[in-house]
Amino acid sequence: GIQVEQSPPDLILQEGANSTLRCNFSDSVNNLQWFHQNPWGQLINLFYIPSGTKQNGRLSATTVATERYSLLYISSSQTTDSGVYFCAVEPPGGYQKVTFGTGTKLQVIP
Amino acid sequence: DTGVSQNPRHKITKRGQNVTFRCDPISEHNRLYWYRQTLGQGPEFLTYFQNEAQLEKSRLLSDRFSAERPKGSFSTLEIQRTEQGDSAMYLCASSRMQGEPQHFGDGTRLSIL
Repeated sequence: GIQVEQSPPDLILQEGANSTLRCNFSDSVNNLQWFHQNPWGQLINLFYIPSGTKQNGRLSATTVATERYSLLYISSSQTTDSGVYFCAVEPPGGYQKVTFGTGTKLQVIP
Repeated sequence: DTGVSQNPRHKITKRGQNVTFRCDPISEHNRLYWYRQTLGQGPEFLTYFQNEAQLEKSRLLSDRFSAERPKGSFSTLEIQRTEQGDSAMYLCASSRMQGEPQHFGDGTRLSIL
């Protein structure tokens, strides 16, 4: 099956700092999503981004499907950004077997 | 939109017992997914429904697991003869159609004694 690796596995930021999270995948995908799992375990969909660039406030994401990677940018980080960030990909073929990456655990300290 | 609702939030049971979880997707979302998440790992796909049809199942879904979505609305996930290894968070997600983002519920945390 498709392999999804994220880096870095852990990240500690000072409040206000910027960061870039990376997601590499081993095969072609139909779509890619970024999720934030907060410290209470809730999974929030951040972006649905099979290709191109999207922005939502302090967050933006870019997917380069031909090179099999996606980046999530967090600017001016806040303590509420803490949690685990997952990318999730869906392989082509019309099936919906979504594969989640290994996650990046982010801690933003005041 | 009231969001994806899952019940119960927590379930504690003895090994060997049967358990059933319920998921109510967002209204008019045709696709419904079940995942399992263990501590420190990302969610693992279990199965998904397009309306009432179960279209894909993971190999993780042994014959002790069964999922239904009888009227294309809510779904249930049943685990028979629970084992210690079934302890996990069971997550449900829904999406309006193919190519649309998935929205997750808060999950049901299962603990096997």
